[in-house]
Amino acid sequence: EAGVTQFPSHSVIEKGQTVTLRCDPISGHDNLYWYRRVMGKEIKFLLHFVKESKQDESGMPNNRFLAERTGGTYSTLKVQPAELEDSGVYFCASSQDLGAHSGANVLTFGAGSRLTVL
Amino acid sequence: AQSVTQLGSHVSVSEGALVLLRCNYSSSVPPYLFWYVQYPNQGLQLLLKYTSAATLVKGINGFEAEFKKSETSFHLTKPSAHMSDAAEYFCAVSDWESDDMRFGAGTRLTVKP
Repeated sequence: EAGVTQFPSHSVIEKGQTVTLRCDPISGHDNLYWYRRVMGKEIKFLLHFVKESKQDESGMPNNRFLAERTGGTYSTLKVQPAELEDSGVYFCASSQDLGAHSGANVLTFGAGSRLTVL
Repeated sequence: AQSVTQLGSHVSVSEGALVLLRCNYSSSVPPYLFWYVQYPNQGLQLLLKYTSAATLVKGINGFEAEFKKSETSFHLTKPSAHMSDAAEYFCAVSDWESDDMRFGAGTRLTVKP
């Protein structure tokens, strides 16, 4: 079974530019999550998709961040325009849909996309 | 809101010594608790999870963790460290009402020969 794949593994851009990160979840996993880790701090939740719908986007920092999951398969996270504080590692994770009370879901993570904004 | 606190951003032990990584949680409802490990250039991998069954949970690679409600803790232990255990370890909390997970800041484990 292929794991969660993220691309690119590392992106270096200048302030004001645009970057799009992609995540391919495990096939059949309805739940897809984006997390971010900045400067060695805690891994922070950004948003959660169930299929193509945004279940929870309370962690998105501001409107420069746009996440999509058209067709309920892969997802993209676009940062436009990028700022210095956006630098960090962006993790994607996926899990199966085990029903309403699925807090015990095990998330499978990708290796992360490291974003450096200069 | 749920949260976890990991005490100690860096822990260093000698090979063969006990590993103890601390995690305390905060949750208004019964929690589900997880430990994940990240090796260099890899994604986070699940070590073990607590989901309200046995309070002592055994995971992969000889790790275990004990859920202590009275102390709101879920510390990770391994009796004898191996060089291959060097990695970063993350504690995380979820609950039955939500399948969103909240992580701690991580603890980097160094194993000295």
